[in-house]
Amino acid sequence: GAGVSQTPSNKVTEKGKYVELRCDPISGHTALYWYRQSLGQGPEFLIYFQGTGAADDSGLPNDRFFAVRPEGSVSTLKIQRTERGDSAVYLCASTLLTATNEKLFFGSGTQLSVL
Amino acid sequence: AQSVTQLDSHVSVSEGTPVLLRCNYSSSYSPSLFWYVQHPNKGLQLLLKYTSAATLVKGINGFEAEFKKSETSFHLTKPSAHMSDAAEYFCVVSESNFGNEKLTFGTGTRLTIIP
Repeated sequence: GAGVSQTPSNKVTEKGKYVELRCDPISGHTALYWYRQSLGQGPEFLIYFQGTGAADDSGLPNDRFFAVRPEGSVSTLKIQRTERGDSAVYLCASTLLTATNEKLFFGSGTQLSVL
Repeated sequence: AQSVTQLDSHVSVSEGTPVLLRCNYSSSYSPSLFWYVQHPNKGLQLLLKYTSAATLVKGINGFEAEFKKSETSFHLTKPSAHMSDAAEYFCVVSESNFGNEKLTFGTGTRLTIIP
């Protein structure tokens, strides 16, 4: 597609449930990022993939959060035992990264609501 | 650690008047600085970026920003506001490490345009 695609656009779940959020980056983009944006805040870095491997997962808040990118394209962010505090917009971004400071392209995000 | 502070959470201007959105940064090194815009239900879009070239950076839609090292500021301006400029604006600093574009966002400034 033309841009970064995230599905679903909205996800409502109950406390304690497991959720998966999907990101389809722009075709050919080697780097993929996940950010989380809580209400009234700027996005916060979660994890960065270069190819299939997680090059930096320092932003993941705890071990309930996990992300994969098995074929170096689509990525899935997985949250176990969801808590109400996990409610936020989860943003995905991708870039080609042929040099530093390349432009990031963001998706529209998945609004996660944990009841 | 790098950080940015957006001095105003909300700015209102009349259509056709100048826009000023203020941002101060903190960085141990020469930073890369960005402004992103977020329209409702749309992905974050890069307005402009500073990467140690010219201190006055021109972006899309008539926006520009000036990097002032002595003041650690990177304020965003536009000579004449348009209704379509109404959005959330984020000042961002980049912590580039071997190509990892780990962005640190400010808390955002909501720009309202008065007809």
